[in-house]
Amino acid sequence: GAVVSQHPSWVICKSGTSVKIECRSLDFQATTMFWYRQFPKQSLMLMATSNEGSKATYEQGVEKDKFLINHASLTLSTLTVTSAHPEDSSFYICSARGEASSYEQYFGPGTRLTVT
Amino acid sequence: GQNIDQPTEMTATEGAIVQINCTYQTSGFNGLFWYQQHAGEAPTFLSYNVLDGLEEKGRFSSFLSRSKGYSYLLLKELQMKDSASYLCAVIEGDYKLSFGAGTTVTVRA
Repeated sequence: GAVVSQHPSWVICKSGTSVKIECRSLDFQATTMFWYRQFPKQSLMLMATSNEGSKATYEQGVEKDKFLINHASLTLSTLTVTSAHPEDSSFYICSARGEASSYEQYFGPGTRLTVT
Repeated sequence: GQNIDQPTEMTATEGAIVQINCTYQTSGFNGLFWYQQHAGEAPTFLSYNVLDGLEEKGRFSSFLSRSKGYSYLLLKELQMKDSASYLCAVIEGDYKLSFGAGTTVTVRA
């Protein structure tokens, strides 16, 4: 149980275009989903937290107009990188929390974004 | 905010034991996680400590001392497949996970 999927697993796009990444909880309802970014040889950095049906909460330094997050249902959250630039190239990982009383987060397999 | 420190790299021999230390400074501590991450993959859960003491789970054990802001992950009977990055992460407040930079463990034959 507690499986989280991401799509796509990797994507290459041209500078200036937008890319959407999907995160789905397959066998549970996710009250909260999280989006992380990881640069090579660095740790995961939380970008934003989203609760179903409400606006995402962004971490300091993360541009909300550039990284659009939508959490339309209890099993799906999407991250759209708008007007992507090469410096946005990174490994994007989502996680989901099921029960509100649990601290554990279940991670998706990640999406490798390369902007050329 | 968080200050989470762990060593950058460790090397050990197959069958040996390795201990990865993690120190942290935080407010609103609600527990500490250890994750394993292979290159290009998402982290996988290893352990969760919220009370002081040692939690043993097979070849992996995790220890926590809240008063010292200190944890360690102990890997016993090392196998080649244990070569990975090990991430220490602290829960702050209700849900926010803050990660250390990770310790890359290399297991040699």
